[in-house]
Amino acid sequence: GENVEQHPSTLSVQEGDSAVIKCTYSDSASNYFPWYKQELGKRPQLIIDIRSNVGEKKDQRIAVTLNKTAKHFSLHITETQPEDSAVYFCAASGGTYKYIFGTGTRLKVLA
Amino acid sequence: NAGVTQTPKFQVLKTGQSMTLQCAQDMNHNSMYWYRQDPGMGLRLIYYSASEGTTDKGEVPNGYNVSRLNKREFSLRLESAAPSQTSVYFCAGGTPGNQPQHFGDGTRLSIL
Repeated sequence: GENVEQHPSTLSVQEGDSAVIKCTYSDSASNYFPWYKQELGKRPQLIIDIRSNVGEKKDQRIAVTLNKTAKHFSLHITETQPEDSAVYFCAASGGTYKYIFGTGTRLKVLA
Repeated sequence: NAGVTQTPKFQVLKTGQSMTLQCAQDMNHNSMYWYRQDPGMGLRLIYYSASEGTTDKGEVPNGYNVSRLNKREFSLRLESAAPSQTSVYFCAGGTPGNQPQHFGDGTRLSIL
């Protein structure tokens, strides 16, 4: 069935360093890949997304890359700040009516 | 423009009681979803509705039922609550393959 693997499950970085979270999807029909940030006690909120006809997208300190051949997509956060500390989820959509989520990455930015 | 609204925000039930969680969206999404999220865990799909008039089971449907009342509203019912159903429940609307899901603020449900 459809599956999205996400790594790492936890990630600690020093403030100002970069963070990279990687996801792999199984359904080759997937064509839309959102990333969500969930702060403690809050709902997941979209931070960036990418469609299958684009290889890279950037929004200030956040970027996402997509390799359709390898079925990989990654989130890159540069110049990390303490407020970036949260759980990040990747997702894949398009093959079915469902959004298939990764298991999440807990990012800690150390001041 | 409220987005996705869930009620109630908090609820405590006794084992065996029933209740319905309400969800409404004003974003014109065709598809709606119910997830549960246990502490420190990811999102698990309970049920979804691809469009008005249709519902389908997700990953963890046992003990739950849903109703897609109209395009805006999608409710989740626990017929006989069990302690294992203690969780945070999120409703979401979306257009798969094209747009992100938008989540409600969640319902924190405790079953004693």
